[in-house]
Amino acid sequence: GAGVSQSPSNKVTEKGKDVELRCDPISGHTALYWYRQSLGQGLEFLIYFQGNSAPDKSGLPSDRFSAERTGGSVSTLTIQRTQQEDSAVYLCASSLHDRGAGELFFGEGSRLTVL
Amino acid sequence: GENVEQHPSTLSVQEGDSAVIKCTYSDSASNYFPWYKQELGKRPQLIIDIRSNVGEKKDQRIAVTLNKTAKHFSLHITETQPEDSAVYFCAAWGDSNYQLIWGAGTKLIIKP
Repeated sequence: GAGVSQSPSNKVTEKGKDVELRCDPISGHTALYWYRQSLGQGLEFLIYFQGNSAPDKSGLPSDRFSAERTGGSVSTLTIQRTQQEDSAVYLCASSLHDRGAGELFFGEGSRLTVL
Repeated sequence: GENVEQHPSTLSVQEGDSAVIKCTYSDSASNYFPWYKQELGKRPQLIIDIRSNVGEKKDQRIAVTLNKTAKHFSLHITETQPEDSAVYFCAAWGDSNYQLIWGAGTKLIIKP
């Protein structure tokens, strides 16, 4: 596609349920990032994928959060046993450049609301 | 590790006036400094960036300046317009930590 695609755009779930958020990066972009943005706040780094290298998981807030990237393209962020504090917009970004040394293209985000 | 501080957190300027947002960084090895604009409810988008081999870069009404000695860089917007209202994020990247470190953001309000 022309840009980074994320789905769902909105997700409302009950506390304790698991959710999966999907990111389809720009074709050919080897770098992929997940960020979390709470209302009115900045960008919180979660995880970074680069090609076939081991992902940088240093930003994941707890072991309830995990992500995978299949075939170097689509990525899925999974949150298990969701909590109310997980409510936020989850942004995915992709880039041609290694580790942020060039432009990041963001998706529109997935807004997660945990009731 | 790298730390990026951004000021002010909120900036309100009269339409037509200039706006300046400043960021400081801690890692002298950082060499790439982008600025992103995020309109309300939208995705962040790159508006301008600068690499450490230049001191200033300009693109129409926006410019970025970099002072490597003082380890700070600034975004300048001239002749502000209502569509400049947004949150602006600065960031720094260096090959000592291989990660883009973000400032906390500045909410720019353009008063009519």
